[in-house]
Amino acid sequence: DAGVIQSPRHEVTEMGQEVTLRCKPISGHDYLFWYRQTMMRGLELLIYFNNNVPIDDSGMPEDRFSAKMPNASFSTLKIQPSEPRDSAVYFCASSYYLVTTGPGQETQYFGPGTRLLVL
Amino acid sequence: KQEVTQIPAALSVPEGENLVLNCSFTDSAIYNLQWFRQDPGKGLTSLLLIQSSQREQTSGRLNASLDKSSGRSTLYIAASQPGDSATYLCAASDRGSTLGRLYFGRGTQLTVWP
Repeated sequence: DAGVIQSPRHEVTEMGQEVTLRCKPISGHDYLFWYRQTMMRGLELLIYFNNNVPIDDSGMPEDRFSAKMPNASFSTLKIQPSEPRDSAVYFCASSYYLVTTGPGQETQYFGPGTRLLVL
Repeated sequence: KQEVTQIPAALSVPEGENLVLNCSFTDSAIYNLQWFRQDPGKGLTSLLLIQSSQREQTSGRLNASLDKSSGRSTLYIAASQPGDSATYLCAASDRGSTLGRLYFGRGTQLTVWP
């Protein structure tokens, strides 16, 4: 199993540019999470999907941020326009829910992250 | 909203020492409490998951305990090794959602020197 795949691993862009981060979850996982990690705020959940449907986007900081999951094997997080304060490491994670074991039995599997620097 | 706090923020010890990392959470209505490890430049790796009905979980030299009533969890690392150097994060789940949304602490940065 290749694990959660994220691309690019590093992104440097100028303020005002559009940034698109990509994620491929583990096959068979029906939950996908986008997190942001900064020194100031730690690890924050931005949005998560269940079966490709956004469930909770209350962590998305502004309308400049948008996320999509067109199918079970791909998700994007887009920032348009980007600002220096968006500089952070963005993680994607996936998980699954087993009806037989009930909620709370599963962990989340994290990708290696995308380190974003907005100049 | 769940608040998760980890103490200490950083810890530096010689190889061989037994360690205790602390995690506290404000809302005891959780599904589970998880401990993750994060190496520099890498993602998070799950170490231990304690369900709300359990009091502890063990994996090798790692032992995690959970006391829901006091809102605390500890991660015990026995006979520490330089390879244990990493940041350790705890996360409490949110019982209000089906899967359990995770709230993370800021982590304890551990350095084990030879």
